[in-house]
Amino acid sequence: DAGVTQSPTHLIKTRGQQVTLRCSPKSGHDTVSWYQQALGQGPQFIFQYYEEEERQRGNFPDRFSGHQFPNYSSELNVNALLLGDSALYLCASSLAGTGGDTQYFGPGTRLTVL
Amino acid sequence: AQTVTQSQPEMSVQEAETVTLSCTYDTSESNYYLFWYKQPPSRQMILVIRQEAYKQQNATENRFSVNFQKAAKSFSLKISDSQLGDTAMYFCAFMKHGPSGTYKYIFGTGTRLKVLA
Repeated sequence: DAGVTQSPTHLIKTRGQQVTLRCSPKSGHDTVSWYQQALGQGPQFIFQYYEEEERQRGNFPDRFSGHQFPNYSSELNVNALLLGDSALYLCASSLAGTGGDTQYFGPGTRLTVL
Repeated sequence: AQTVTQSQPEMSVQEAETVTLSCTYDTSESNYYLFWYKQPPSRQMILVIRQEAYKQQNATENRFSVNFQKAAKSFSLKISDSQLGDTAMYFCAFMKHGPSGTYKYIFGTGTRLKVLA
C-alpha cells in the first residue's frame, strides 16, 4: 500500500523565484492538504483540495497556489519567494466522508530560500 | 478561532518508564476530533492516536493512551513502557469539519520527547 509521497526532498531557491512542489496521495485517498512547518513549529494549514478544487484555505497570501489533478495528485506553487518561505512543506491525504478524515502525511519537502 | 497549546517544549523519560504529554485546546464547537502525531527526526509525521469528541471513552492504541477531558478542554497523551524509538516530536492537533465536508487541522507547537537508555 503506497503511502503519501512528495518530491523533491530538498530544494534551494533564491528570493523572487517560483517553486513547485508535488504530492501523490496515499492509495485510495482523494483529498490533499498542504501545510507549512517552520523550524521548531507545528504545521500551519495552507489549503485543501478535493475534486480538483480548493475547498478551504488557511491564512496564506495569494502567492501560494495549488492544483489537484484527476488522479488526485497535487501541486503547491509559491511565487515571488521570500526568505520567510523557508520551511518544511508537508502534504497530507485522506479519504473524504470517512468520518474524522484522518490525515496521513508525506515525508515533506525542505525548501530553503536564499 | 481554535487554538492548541502544548506547554511542555521538551521532556525526557527513562526507557520502560511512563510519560504524559499535555495538550489543551480552545474551541466553542461540540463536535470535533483530536489527534496526536509523532514526528521522528526523519520528519515523517505519523498518526499515534485519535479521539472523537462525542466519545466519552478514552482512546487506546497499544502503549499509547489518552486522557480526554472535554469540559476542561484537555487531551493528554500517556506513553507506557517507553522505548528508544518513541524519541520524537509529538504534536497535538484539533480538527473540525468546515463547509461542504472540508476540514482543517490546527496543530500545537509540539513537545520534543527524548527517551533515555
